[in-house]
Amino acid sequence: NAGVTQTPKFQVLKTGQSMTLQCAQDMNHEYMSWYRQDPGMGLRLIHYSVGAGITDQGEVPNGYNVSRSTTEDFPLRLLSAAPSQTSVYFCASSAGVRNIQYFGAGTRLSVL
Amino acid sequence: QQQVKQSPQSLIVQKGGISIINCAYENTAFDYFPWYQQFPGKGPALLIAIRPDVSEKKEGRFTISFNKSAKQFSLHIMDSQPGDSATYFCAAGSGAGSYQLTFGKGTKLSVIP
Repeated sequence: NAGVTQTPKFQVLKTGQSMTLQCAQDMNHEYMSWYRQDPGMGLRLIHYSVGAGITDQGEVPNGYNVSRSTTEDFPLRLLSAAPSQTSVYFCASSAGVRNIQYFGAGTRLSVL
Repeated sequence: QQQVKQSPQSLIVQKGGISIINCAYENTAFDYFPWYQQFPGKGPALLIAIRPDVSEKKEGRFTISFNKSAKQFSLHIMDSQPGDSATYFCAAGSGAGSYQLTFGKGTKLSVIP
């Protein structure tokens, strides 16, 4: 059982480049979310989705886009990367009511 | 902005000692309080969780204490072991059907032999 799979594990970008962080889950969870983790800041919610075709903004959405065309996949797009987006990104999914969120292993992104 | 305040930021405990991490929240609509454990290079994983209808929940060496009137909850790790060295996050969520969690900023626990 793979759970939540994130790719790539590491990425280095130059300022202004674009890229997509991939997230896939095989647990048929309705809810998926993206967090960024910065030292001393905990986990901050970027975007989330409560089902295919439905997305919404979290606490720190600026500079990021998401879409949810299938239940399984929830990619995060950086349209024009900035050094402030250097962070570790985590994708999570949840079945719902009990709010247990299952996290992927993370993507470590550096923007130069 | 909903907030969950977590303290201390870091904690050093000797093997066999008790580790205590505290969290406080503001939003009285919160009704689910999980703790997540994160090892270096890994994603957070659920450790233990509590709902406000009980004041304490124990699972092995890990106990959550909950004080609804004070809007505080804490994690106690009894007989702390070096393998418990990790970062711990408290979180809070509200309402059946609401999937979102608000996380504290984390506590880095180091258990020394």
